Amino acid sequence: ETGVTQSPTHLIKTRGQQVTLRCSSQSGHNTVSWYQQALGQGPQFIFQYYREEENGRGNFPPRFSGLQFPNYSSELNVNALELDDSALYLCASSLDPTGELFFGEGSRLTVL
Amino acid sequence: AQSVTQLDSQVPVFEEAPVELRCNYSSSVSVYLFWYVQYPNQGLQLLLKYLSGSTLVESINGFEAEFNKSQTSFHLRKPSVHISDTAEYFCAVRNMNRDDKIIFGKGTRLHILP
Repeated sequence: ETGVTQSPTHLIKTRGQQVTLRCSSQSGHNTVSWYQQALGQGPQFIFQYYREEENGRGNFPPRFSGLQFPNYSSELNVNALELDDSALYLCASSLDPTGELFFGEGSRLTVL
Repeated sequence: AQSVTQLDSQVPVFEEAPVELRCNYSSSVSVYLFWYVQYPNQGLQLLLKYLSGSTLVESINGFEAEFNKSQTSFHLRKPSVHISDTAEYFCAVRNMNRDDKIIFGKGTRLHILP
């Protein structure tokens, strides 16, 4: 059974650029949640996808968007990057929307 | 909406000494409570959870937490810490009666001193 995998592990972008982060969910899981963890902070909920539909969203602007594919993998897209978007982005999959979260190791984004 | 407060950003403790990491929450409805651990350069792992039943829950590596409804707390304790316990610990809460998502505290970094 493979766990949650995220790519890339690290990346550097400049202000105004766009980024796509990817997540493969754990086998058998149909739900993916994305979190942003800024330095020294706890993870902040961005949104959740359940069976390819958005199923809840945190307090993030529309330039944060996502997708879930038929195999339940997921993408997080961020447009018009800002310096404050620098953070560790965590993906977590679960058996269902209220199930235990299983986290990947994260994608560390630096915006210069 | 629910919220979580972790009162200590860092806790230094000597090896083999006891430790308590504090967590308080606020919510207008009943909640589920969680502690997650993040080892250096890794993702978060579930350490233990309270869903219902006994208010004292334990993990496989010697940690325990007690749900105290009157004090809205879910403090994490271990009677004797090891150097391998060095990590960041996050308390989290989710409302029981709604489709709300898990909300995390800011975390407490546990430093084990030799």
